Amino acid sequence: FVLTQSPGTLSLSPGERASLSCRASQALTTNFLAWYQQRPGQAPRLLISHTSRRATGIPDRFSGSGSGTDFTLTIGRLEPEDFAVYYCQQYESSPTFGPGTKVDIK
Amino acid sequence: QVQLVQSGPEVKKPGASVKVSCKASGYIFIDYGVSWIRQAPGQGLEWMGWISGHNGNKNYAQKFRGRLTVNTDTSTGTAYMELRSLRFDDTAVYFCVRDRELGANWFDSWGQGTLVTVSS
Repeated sequence: FVLTQSPGTLSLSPGERASLSCRASQALTTNFLAWYQQRPGQAPRLLISHTSRRATGIPDRFSGSGSGTDFTLTIGRLEPEDFAVYYCQQYESSPTFGPGTKVDIK
Repeated sequence: QVQLVQSGPEVKKPGASVKVSCKASGYIFIDYGVSWIRQAPGQGLEWMGWISGHNGNKNYAQKFRGRLTVNTDTSTGTAYMELRSLRFDDTAVYFCVRDRELGANWFDSWGQGTLVTVSS
């Protein structure tokens, strides 16, 4: 499974809504897709598993959706701490990650 | 709380081996697995391999088979990753992560990362 993410960079202002796309090279029949956030100099942090299941402690402004080959991470209203790189990852087979989307301040 | 504490940075020459440790706490070690993931400078994430904390079953990414060994010590709740025949492009931060007991899935807790530099 090859994952592609778009856009490569998303420039937005605090308070705006962010929509990040992840596309799989073949359909994920199990919807086994996760999302991670990585801030500079830090380890990644799990946001979402099973396409839409928020991890413990993750604010509800983060939501995941999708099926088949197309998946989306939505951040409802961007907070200053949300400007980071976001990775999708599939685990239907041996895990693979997308190349990431950087959300930076406009 | 769940914590994974990794060993410190390493500098190795090409052809050498490196072994990184990962001490887990805050959960029952044998109820989960451990995966290893690396990130080259300025690059994305790459899954390397997984081991069951319960029975020691392992699964390696094809790219690393023959060069990578992962192990655990259940008496201390510690996981180990050894990468052999190091090359310049093995320079990366290596993360241990808590995974599912039945196989590599999603990663809900991450170690702080260990920088391995391969340099002559």
